[in-house]
Amino acid sequence: AQKVTQAQTEISVVEKEDVTLDCVYETRDTTYYLFWYKQPPSGELVFLIRRNSFDEQNEISGRYSWNFQKSTSSFNFTITASQVVDSAVYFCALGRRPNTGNQFYFGTGTSLTVIP
Amino acid sequence: NAGVTQTPKFRILKIGQSMTLQCTQDMNHNYMYWYRQDPGMGLKLIYYSVGAGITDKGEVPNGYNVSRSTTEDFPLRLELAAPSQTSVYFCASSYGKGQGTGELFFGEGSRLTV
Repeated sequence: AQKVTQAQTEISVVEKEDVTLDCVYETRDTTYYLFWYKQPPSGELVFLIRRNSFDEQNEISGRYSWNFQKSTSSFNFTITASQVVDSAVYFCALGRRPNTGNQFYFGTGTSLTVIP
Repeated sequence: NAGVTQTPKFRILKIGQSMTLQCTQDMNHNYMYWYRQDPGMGLKLIYYSVGAGITDKGEVPNGYNVSRSTTEDFPLRLELAAPSQTSVYFCASSYGKGQGTGELFFGEGSRLTV
């Protein structure tokens, strides 16, 4: 069975602090895909990153970075020097291969509040 | 590109009424999905489709129906609306098969109040 756990329900940080959002997944598939989405207060869902299970390289995009560790089944997301605009709900998701229905499994989300 | 377009954005229904949420995508994606998001909660899959003419139930299909007559369109029908169907509904699409599993492209959401 597939499952994504985001244990942090809510996080508050002061602007310019660094913050890490945790994501732990469960799957027996050998090929799978991991995603992060941002949902700002306006409600839309914004794609942030896609990673396949064969690529464990960490990725950095501006103030955002992702740490993928298959050994611990984790795909954590770090925001460096947080800003008020980072306030949102962040969802981690697991995607299965197309021949299994291409289904996605979402975590329950982490609500991040950045205090000015 | 328009991406994924959902209509309407807002709708108020009375108990027992029916309605259809429209969803269309212009990216030629073979996979399409309907999710609902209850206040303060994550996304729950209602129905999905792997291609025209093929649909399957997700985690919470009761009270809903879908059809996929074309690659572009994936309408969601609510029959006999109930207060428990008050939610925000998101349509999404993604590519698959030879390209692996692509990210979900979401519509802007439809807020439904029963």
